[in-house]
Amino acid sequence: AQSVTQLDSQVPVFEEAPVELRCNYSSSVSVYLFWYVQYPNQGLQLLLKYLSGSTLVKGINGFEAEFNKSQTSFHLRKPSVHISDTAEYFCAVSDGGGATNKLIFGTGTLLAVQP
Amino acid sequence: NAGVTQTPKFQVLKTGQSMTLQCAQDMNHNSMYWYRQDPGMGLRLIYYSASEGTTDKGEVPNGYNVSRLNKREFSLRLESAAPSQTSVYFCASPGPGRGTEAFFGQGTRLTVV
Repeated sequence: AQSVTQLDSQVPVFEEAPVELRCNYSSSVSVYLFWYVQYPNQGLQLLLKYLSGSTLVKGINGFEAEFNKSQTSFHLRKPSVHISDTAEYFCAVSDGGGATNKLIFGTGTLLAVQP
Repeated sequence: NAGVTQTPKFQVLKTGQSMTLQCAQDMNHNSMYWYRQDPGMGLRLIYYSASEGTTDKGEVPNGYNVSRLNKREFSLRLESAAPSQTSVYFCASPGPGRGTEAFFGQGTRLTVV
């Protein structure tokens, strides 16, 4: 079964500093990878996804992620964070099999941006 | 276009009470899911439905039942609530095809006392 590991439960960072949120997944023949963001008291919304092709994926709000097959990683980065980026970030994987597109989520990383 | 709508947003139950969480999507998607979110555990899949008339267990189905009433609606029922079911519940619906985005409702915050 697919699994996702987010090693950092919380990442504190100062405003305008760069940030990297780490995500590793269990290997599979084919895998689709996602990053979702959850702002306080809201549902999840998609930041970006990797399906195939270029390993560098750009998403909304200036975020990007790099797919690394050899290291089974899909780390999320932003060169300069803003206070409004404070949220919980979830990495997720789907094997794309069958008719369900089931998503398996990591445990989440709370990004805390400080002024 | 509302996407995925969940009701209620908040609920407090006493141990042993029952309730049904409602979810509806207006995107004409086949698949719908129920997740629960607990601190430090991410989102865990409770039940899912690949199409109208079908439901399957996810990772943590014990203590829950579901009904896929029609293509739009997917409800989650707690027959006898327990404090361990205190959680935030999310309904989600992915688009068709492989690797498509899942759209989430706003969540239901349930407390069982």
